[in-house]
Amino acid sequence: GNSVTQMEGPVTLSEEAFLTINCTYTATGYPSLFWYVQYPGEGLQLLLKATKADDKGSNKGFEATYRKETTSFHLEKGSVQVSDSAVYFCALSEAAGNKLTFGGGTRVLVKP
Amino acid sequence: DAGVIQSPRHEVTEMGQEVTLRCKPISGHDYLFWYRQTMMRGLELLIYFNNNVPIDDSGMPEDRFSAKMPNASFSTLKIQPSEPRDSAVYFCASSAWGRETQDTQYFGPGTRLTVL
Repeated sequence: GNSVTQMEGPVTLSEEAFLTINCTYTATGYPSLFWYVQYPGEGLQLLLKATKADDKGSNKGFEATYRKETTSFHLEKGSVQVSDSAVYFCALSEAAGNKLTFGGGTRVLVKP
Repeated sequence: DAGVIQSPRHEVTEMGQEVTLRCKPISGHDYLFWYRQTMMRGLELLIYFNNNVPIDDSGMPEDRFSAKMPNASFSTLKIQPSEPRDSAVYFCASSAWGRETQDTQYFGPGTRLTVL
């Protein structure tokens, strides 16, 4: 079956530091890949997505590239802010039913 | 659009009581998902519907849990009887297949359930 593995947190950074959160997946076909973000006390929000190999998703300074050869979709941001403190979820969608398979989430804490 | 609406936002109840959580998906979306989030188990898909029909309920933990979608704009998740281990945040999400944002799920703010 499908699965998503992402690095465990928490990840603690200083403001303006570089952020990388690793995500790898297992899927039988050609999934779409997502990063969702959950701010404290809120639901999940779509951060970015990529639907085919070598696509790069980007939003709010975050980027992730769909790497089929390494089955990865690592999230990066060049300079984080305190407001980026949240839990980040990597996910994939393969079936026509839009069913998402989520990773375990990575908590990121950015200190001033 | 108002987004996915869930009610109540917080629910505190006693063990053995019936709990009903409600969800209004985004208008025009034909998929609806119920998730549960806990520290121990993370984010779990409980059940999802397509065009008001349950497609996969394999994530429903036991018979105490039931979900319905009587029409395209309303769904309920019911727990009867509730137990302390049901304490969690329950999210509803919706999506629309075949449109520009296909396979993107939009989440509601969640219902925080505490069973004493």
